[in-house]
Amino acid sequence: GENVEQHPSTLSVQEGDSAVIKCTYSDSASNYFPWYKQELGKRPQLIIDIRSNVGEKKDQRIAVTLNKTAKHFSLHITETQPEDSAVYFCAAKTGANNLFFGTGTRLTVIP
Amino acid sequence: GAVVSQHPSWVICKSGTSVKIECRSLDFQATTMFWYRQFPKQSLMLMATSNEGSKATYEQGVEKDKFLINHASLTLSTLTVTSAHPEDSSFYICSARENSGRPHEQYFGPGTRLTVT
Repeated sequence: GENVEQHPSTLSVQEGDSAVIKCTYSDSASNYFPWYKQELGKRPQLIIDIRSNVGEKKDQRIAVTLNKTAKHFSLHITETQPEDSAVYFCAAKTGANNLFFGTGTRLTVIP
Repeated sequence: GAVVSQHPSWVICKSGTSVKIECRSLDFQATTMFWYRQFPKQSLMLMATSNEGSKATYEQGVEKDKFLINHASLTLSTLTVTSAHPEDSSFYICSARENSGRPHEQYFGPGTRLTVT
């Protein structure tokens, strides 16, 4: 089955700086890669996703890059704000199969 | 956007009792629903995949007789934790996938925090 690894597990940045979270996956057939933001005690919220036919996608301050050859994808948050503080999960999915989640990154943005 | 609700949002029960958690897709039909559990500061672990009208598919290590899943309609799936024990205390989250539109995307419920005393 799919194995998704995520790094780092914790990340602290100063407000206004950029944050980068990286994930690798094992199944070359995976074709959908979403990123979720989860605040304490709440549901995961989809913040951005990318499909395997695209190398990069951007939505305002958030961008995701995908390298299919190396089987890794990254989340980039620019101009970070305190409200960006949360746990971020990457995930990978093959076709109609289930999502396999990374282990999560706790991002803290220091005002 | 697609909305998934869960009920109850939290529950405290005594060891040995059973607890039922409901997951509903409010504005779309979901042939497939997923059940996850999440321990503090850990990732979401898939427990089972539930398809409407058929038996759930359980992940390795998840006891199907302990975690009963029923997906009787296109908008409702239930998870029953039978004979609950303190080690079953966790945050249980369901998600649902649309039949059409954006079939890749899963919409998560708000979660149910179960505490077994």
